[in-house]
Amino acid sequence: GDSVTQMEGPVTLSEEAFLTINCTYTATGYPSLFWYVQYPGEGLQLLLKATKADDKGSNKGFEATYRKETTSFHLEKGSVQVSDSAVYFCALSPTGGGNKLTFGTGTQLKVEL
Amino acid sequence: GAVVSQHPSWVICKSGTSVKIECRSLDFQATTMFWYRQFPKQSLMLMATSNEGSKATYEQGVEKDKFLINHASLTLSTLTVTSAHPEDSSFYICSATETGGLTDTQYFGPGTRLTVL
Repeated sequence: GDSVTQMEGPVTLSEEAFLTINCTYTATGYPSLFWYVQYPGEGLQLLLKATKADDKGSNKGFEATYRKETTSFHLEKGSVQVSDSAVYFCALSPTGGGNKLTFGTGTQLKVEL
Repeated sequence: GAVVSQHPSWVICKSGTSVKIECRSLDFQATTMFWYRQFPKQSLMLMATSNEGSKATYEQGVEKDKFLINHASLTLSTLTVTSAHPEDSSFYICSATETGGLTDTQYFGPGTRLTVL
């Protein structure tokens, strides 16, 4: 079945550092790929998504590129802020999957001054 | 916009009792809502898809008689954990997609922490 693997956290960075959170997936066909973010005490929010190979999703300085050849969708940001501290979830929705989402385990990011 | 609420945010109950969790879309109509379960340090697992006016579709391995889902209106879905036991203790999260929306984005509630003693 479909699955998503993302790096374990917590990831602790200093403000303005470069961020990479790795995500790889297993799925048949061409799934849509997502990054969700969960701030403390809040529900998950869609951060960005990509629906086909080589697409780049971007939002709020975060980027991720859909790499079919490596089945990856790594999240990056050039300069993190304290306000980026949250839990980040990688997820996929299978081709024609009717919105069903398969999530990774989540990676907690802590950004310190 | 696109806010989903859950009530209660946390609940503690005795083993053998039933607990109802509400999921509401506050500023949009949601034909479809989803219920997830999350264990500590694990991913969200889809339990069921709830469709307004029809029976929910449960994922493999989820007991439909234990986790009763009712989606009686376009803004409310409820999950009732019947005869709860300690192994049902978990974090339950709902999401909703906007009826007739331009995208199929799921909007998530903040979750409900259930502890069964």
